[in-house]
Amino acid sequence: EDQVTQSPEALRLQEGESSSLNCSYTVSGLRGLFWYRQDPGKGPEFLFTLYSAGEEKEKERLKATLTKKESFLHITAPKPEDSATYLCAVQTSNTGNQFYFGTGTSLTVIP
Amino acid sequence: KAGVTQTPRYLIKTRGQQVTLSCSPISGHRSVSWYQQTPGQGLQFLFEYFSETQRNKGNFPGRFSGRQFSNSRSEMNVSTLELGDSALYLCASSLAEGGHGYTFGSGTRLTVV
Repeated sequence: EDQVTQSPEALRLQEGESSSLNCSYTVSGLRGLFWYRQDPGKGPEFLFTLYSAGEEKEKERLKATLTKKESFLHITAPKPEDSATYLCAVQTSNTGNQFYFGTGTSLTVIP
Repeated sequence: KAGVTQTPRYLIKTRGQQVTLSCSPISGHRSVSWYQQTPGQGLQFLFEYFSETQRNKGNFPGRFSGRQFSNSRSEMNVSTLELGDSALYLCASSLAEGGHGYTFGSGTRLTVV
């Protein structure tokens, strides 16, 4: 069964303290892995798409990487405005393009 | 450029009632997908519509249904509401079928009492 697991569930960081969020997946026919950011009371906001192992994408303080079994979202020198829930989703070719989401990592950056 | 608009933002219904939620996608986007978000289950796929046709359906009971109009606007309906249907219902639109480049709306918060 296709599965997406994110860890940790919650993470508290001091401003400037770099860390990584993990998304591990067990799916057949991966078409893409997606990272989203969700702020309270809002819908998820698209961050990155990764398609193949070894691929990396960067945006400001965020960098996403992908292996055959997992993806990491690295946050370098985070700021309080980076506080949000980060969601990982995979899209598979054998389920009609359906997206499977993890339950997210709630990140709090303390000034 | 207007984003994805969902109405209403908040809704309180009684068990056994039915509810209709609306989604207006970004102009030019022809694919609309619906997701249910709950604290314990995260986002779960409900269905995807493209050019007025349901392309894919998640594992939800038949009480959950949807449709898409010729202008790409979409509605989802939940009949015979249960307490467990309380959730944030999110709509996402994209240019092409398959969800690449999803843009999500802010959701409709449904509370069933």
